[in-house]
Amino acid sequence: DGGITQSPKYLFRKEGQNVTLSCEQNLNHDAMYWYRQDPGQGLRLIYYSQIVNDFQKGDIAEGYSVSREKKESFPLTVTSAQKNPTAFYLCASSPAGHLNTEAFFGQGTRLTVV
Amino acid sequence: GENVEQHPSTLSVQEGDSAVIKCTYSDSASNYFPWYKQELGKGPQLIIDIRSNVGEKKDQRIAVTLNKTAKHFSLHITETQPEDSAVYFCAASILTGGGNKLTFGTGTQLKVEL
Repeated sequence: DGGITQSPKYLFRKEGQNVTLSCEQNLNHDAMYWYRQDPGQGLRLIYYSQIVNDFQKGDIAEGYSVSREKKESFPLTVTSAQKNPTAFYLCASSPAGHLNTEAFFGQGTRLTVV
Repeated sequence: GENVEQHPSTLSVQEGDSAVIKCTYSDSASNYFPWYKQELGKGPQLIIDIRSNVGEKKDQRIAVTLNKTAKHFSLHITETQPEDSAVYFCAASILTGGGNKLTFGTGTQLKVEL
């Protein structure tokens, strides 16, 4: 089955620790994205990547880092510099080009800082 | 950057009635407007989208209208059913050929009552 997979589904982190969220897609999409979702708010863009070995900051990149070493993978690291990391994190991917533009989302990772 | 506002934040309708959710956007260069449905604990799923060269699009019980002059677009769901209960997000983006970087509204919690 083609799709986008996030793991783990639930993640607990102690304050001061870095943690990495996994995102893998087998849709052969060039572009990948990380969004953060908080209760009562929309999805806010953290980082995005349009091509392998390249990525750009989104609206709320502070305290996060990413890498894009492979087309199918776009891991997100939540660092200790992120002041309020507890949230629902969503990864997405989409094709490049103007014709087929749908962004597909994973099932999300709920991160809780304890 | 783009700013998307969405209203109402909650909407309760009786089964069989229609539901309307409205969004406005700020960037006149935006040319792609998708609507996503998110069920509890899951990632958003695309339900319908519209491009700026079209004023209206329909898919069975779901329709979207776009007014480029006023910079607003709306989702219409007719003959609502209990399974329509979910959070709905509107979004806007500028398709450049390099991916689909979406700016989301804050969501509408739709409840369809029996």
